[in-house]
Amino acid sequence: DSGVTQTPKHLITATGQRVTLRCSPRSGDLSVYWYQQSLDQGLQFLIQYYNGEERAKGNILERFSAQQFPDLHSELNLSSLELGDSALYFCASSVGGHLSYEQYFGPGTRLTVT
Amino acid sequence: TQLLEQSPQFLSIQEGENLTVYCNSSSVFSSLQWYRQEPGEGPVLLVTVVTGGEVKKLKRLTFQFGDARKDSSLHITAAQPGDTGLYLCAGARNNNDMRFGAGTRLTVKP
Repeated sequence: DSGVTQTPKHLITATGQRVTLRCSPRSGDLSVYWYQQSLDQGLQFLIQYYNGEERAKGNILERFSAQQFPDLHSELNLSSLELGDSALYFCASSVGGHLSYEQYFGPGTRLTVT
Repeated sequence: TQLLEQSPQFLSIQEGENLTVYCNSSSVFSSLQWYRQEPGEGPVLLVTVVTGGEVKKLKRLTFQFGDARKDSSLHITAAQPGDTGLYLCAGARNNNDMRFGAGTRLTVKP
């Protein structure tokens, strides 16, 4: 158990819909990262927040957005969903803000878009 | 094309054998990490290397970071079935770019 929690574990929705994925970092960690893992693209870095502020941005689509709240939990919002958005979405956390800090991954949310 | 190329993509060996997997790039990374991921779970960090030429050992696993900080290798001695999993390398460039390789899927047969 990494100490990072993600909800829900599974999510099935239809194309065009909007969903919100939630992540709670390990106690004491200030950074939260979001990743997408699909069979054809592998693990893709989406975005990082550090202490409530956006710190780094990867291959995140404009239809996707994220935020980190004062209690440090984070939410990833996915809108206008397409079939290709079906994937595992992981959240990770680290104590520091640099990307080289050790990241601890949550169990993931499996999103299926039908 | 992946920024980080991992090879081999698949590896199936017998228990007790040694193996090496590689992570190569044309880019320089400020740090490189290796993770192991099991089906249905998140990746678990094995090691972080930051200095060119650095070698780190973790029990039967030996990690090396290339002198130019563009490549890395993971060597496993006397592999065990519990080593089975997807091995991912990940590199940080500057402080705003994190990339993962596609992974090496290792199967160790008893």
